[in-house]
Amino acid sequence: SQTIHQWPATLVQPVGSPLSLECTVEGTSNPNLYWYRQAAGRGLQLLFYSVGIGQISSEVPQNLSASRPQDRQFILSSKKLLLSDSGFYLCAWSVLLRGLMNTEAFFGQGTRLTVV
Amino acid sequence: SQQGEEDPQALSIQEGENATMNCSYKTSINNLQWYRQNSGRGLVHLILIRSNEREKHSGRLRVTLDTSKKSSSLLITASRAADTASYFCATPTYSGGGADGLTFGKGTHLIIQP
Repeated sequence: SQTIHQWPATLVQPVGSPLSLECTVEGTSNPNLYWYRQAAGRGLQLLFYSVGIGQISSEVPQNLSASRPQDRQFILSSKKLLLSDSGFYLCAWSVLLRGLMNTEAFFGQGTRLTVV
Repeated sequence: SQQGEEDPQALSIQEGENATMNCSYKTSINNLQWYRQNSGRGLVHLILIRSNEREKHSGRLRVTLDTSKKSSSLLITASRAADTASYFCATPTYSGGGADGLTFGKGTHLIIQP
């Protein structure tokens, strides 16, 4: 069966420090991978998505970046964190059918990031 | 911008009652999905309804879709305390290169009072 691992679960980082959040998927090949951010009491904002190794699309301009070094690995990074980067970060994967998102997305358990 | 908007933002009912949440969206869709999120956790897919479907059932869940009004509703019957969570509707987002992901509303926070 497919599983998705996301770590760490919680993270407290000082302003200006680097960030690396990792997400791995098991049990499927060539998934679409996503990073979302959820502010407190809000919906999810799509940050990055990837349709394949080395292919990253960004939805919002910011000081975050994403990389996909392997088929089932997705990494969210920052060189210097800002206070506004605090939030709940969620990794997800899905499979497109005939190029359409006709199926569900599977989410990791999330990382609570607090920038202090 | 938000594609889906849930209504109400918060809902508190007694255990055993039915809970209804609504979602409105703006653009044409080929499907609409509902997700549940327990506090501080990831989202779990509940149900997907395609644009050519008007109603779908899954256990105690009933989802309707009205494409002419660009709206959907999620009904949870015979609610239980364990149904306390936030519920989100989501629609696929497309660019010229294909599906880009899901666009979520802000969610309805449902509280079931024991």
